[in-house]
Amino acid sequence: EAEVAQSPRYKITEKSQAVAFWCDPISGHATLYWYRQILGQGPELLVQFQDESVVDDSQLPKDRFSAERLKGVDSTLKIQPAELGDSAMYLCASSHLAGHNEQFFGPGTRLTVL
Amino acid sequence: SQQGEEDPQALSIQEGENATMNCSYKTSINNLQWYRQNSGRGLVHLILIRSNEREKHSGRLRVTLDTSKKSSSLLITASRAADTASYFCATAPGTGANSKLTFGKGITLSVRP
Repeated sequence: EAEVAQSPRYKITEKSQAVAFWCDPISGHATLYWYRQILGQGPELLVQFQDESVVDDSQLPKDRFSAERLKGVDSTLKIQPAELGDSAMYLCASSHLAGHNEQFFGPGTRLTVL
Repeated sequence: SQQGEEDPQALSIQEGENATMNCSYKTSINNLQWYRQNSGRGLVHLILIRSNEREKHSGRLRVTLDTSKKSSSLLITASRAADTASYFCATAPGTGANSKLTFGKGITLSVRP
């Protein structure tokens, strides 16, 4: 069964360092999402791609976060510099169509900023 | 911001019992979805109910939707220890092809063997 792949699964970094997360969606899924999930909360959307284009990045802290999906397949989310408050689970999801469809999630990357 | 609010926040039941979880939301929706998350893992889609549907079943899951009350419930029948997880409702707004899902804070379900 096809799955969304994410790496690394865990990342520990010191504040002010740069970190990067990678996501490979299910083959054929045009829509890719990055979410941040703080412990005890639900996921919150950071950025949504349709193919290689960003369609929603309204909640992405653009002074330190960036995301790209250059060839419309896999994607990278970067934080530079990392802050203590960035400690969270970063989840990637994909869907066949945008909008009102079920999303398939990867296992997530647990980030700890010291 | 999180539109869906689940109730209760935590639920503990005995294996074999039924578990009922509720979700309320504020604005009009195209559909409402329920997801499960095992500890430290990604979310798994359980079921999607559209705004023109009132009830939907999938295996041991039953979901209802009352758009007049802006609420939904998820019933898990004959619960098993493996159902122990966090459950989230997520709402998809009524308009916009690229509209985003908004998740609630989740319900922690513990099923005691």
